[in-house]
Amino acid sequence: DSGVTQTPKHLITATGQRVTLRCSPRSGDLSVYWYQQSLDQGLQFLIQYYNGEERAKGNILERFSAQQFPDLHSELNLSSLELGDSALYFCASSAGQGPITPLHFGNGTRLTVT
Amino acid sequence: AQTVTQSQPEMSVQEAETVTLSCTYDTSESDYYLFWYKQPPSRQMILVIRQEAYKQQNATENRFSVNFQKAAKSFSLKISDSQLGDAAMYFCAYYSGTYKYIFGTGTRLKVLA
Repeated sequence: DSGVTQTPKHLITATGQRVTLRCSPRSGDLSVYWYQQSLDQGLQFLIQYYNGEERAKGNILERFSAQQFPDLHSELNLSSLELGDSALYFCASSAGQGPITPLHFGNGTRLTVT
Repeated sequence: AQTVTQSQPEMSVQEAETVTLSCTYDTSESDYYLFWYKQPPSRQMILVIRQEAYKQQNATENRFSVNFQKAAKSFSLKISDSQLGDAAMYFCAYYSGTYKYIFGTGTRLKVLA
């Protein structure tokens, strides 16, 4: 168990809808990363937060947004969903911002858009 | 931009044998980190091994070792004495000072009994 909790585990929704994915980092970890894993693709970096502040942004669509709250949990909001948004969304946390402190991954949220 | 390439979508290895997974990357940075992550069917990502670019010595973790060739920008993972539990997707990842990890597309490893 990595200590990173992602909810829900599975989510099925229709095109055009909006969903929120939640991540609780490992106790004491200040950094949260979001990744998207589509079928047969690697993990695509979406966004990273450190202690409530956005620190890095990847190929995140404008329809997607995220935030990290004072209690350090993070939410990823996906709106105007399209079929292509179906993927596994991972949250990872680490104590610091860099690679010295390892990444701990959650089990992911499987999003299916129908 | 930094990129990570894993050219082997799938590999197979006989139980107890050795297999090497390939990874190349492109960067203009001199200081960075490289990683191998394992994703078993449970889908949780697990860190296998880490290499700091400034270290010439190849990292090892039990049956897992890397061959880090900085000039060639190559970072391969060798798994010795393969076990059934090694069957998984393996991802190579790169990190520099931009707060983000860049992952390759993965190699699916099958272990044959």
